[in-house]
Amino acid sequence: NAGVTQTPKFQVLKTGQSMTLQCAQDMNHNSMYWYRQDPGMGLRLIYYSASEGTTDKGEVPNGYNVSRLNKREFSLRLESAAPSQTSVYFCASRGTGSQAFFGQGTRLTVV
Amino acid sequence: KNEVEQSPQNLTAQEGEFITINCSYSVGISALHWLQQHPGGGIVSLFMLSSGKKKHGRLIATINIQEKHSSLHITASHPRDSAVYICAVTVSQGNLIFGKGTKLSVKP
Repeated sequence: NAGVTQTPKFQVLKTGQSMTLQCAQDMNHNSMYWYRQDPGMGLRLIYYSASEGTTDKGEVPNGYNVSRLNKREFSLRLESAAPSQTSVYFCASRGTGSQAFFGQGTRLTVV
Repeated sequence: KNEVEQSPQNLTAQEGEFITINCSYSVGISALHWLQQHPGGGIVSLFMLSSGKKKHGRLIATINIQEKHSSLHITASHPRDSAVYICAVTVSQGNLIFGKGTKLSVKP
């Protein structure tokens, strides 16, 4: 009964380093999302995937890439991390007309 | 202007008090969600509603589609209810737009 599993939980990167955040869901949901959460702001959509094989930009996509590897997995990649990408990242999934399920979050610091 | 506005931003209550958090939105929606986030923790969905009222334990959520307004009520509040409560709406593409959250602190 895992729901949405997101890794890692914490990460510190140096400016310019790259990393991939992993997300997997076991609920057979079509839609998956990546959000970032910054102090004083609501969650903002980075990228989403409405179904396997499709991805679309959200509100704040610059500096990120995504891959919907299969129906279960949706990864977020930072190719060259910048301090402005210091944030808490959440993966989420939804079935059609259903509530959203969130991962535990990744606290990323870029120094 | 934010498409989803919550009030208040911060709320402190004494244990046992009745609490109301409000959410107003300015876009067309297919559903509204209330979410809970504990400090340092993940985000949990409390309610998803598109009309009327839902109740789960001490929590009640209502929505008025005509007025584009929803409320989350907590009866007999308890310190363990201390968390950030987030309102979000599902818009036409199926995506969610989030409010900035209401930080609730319930004192014993």
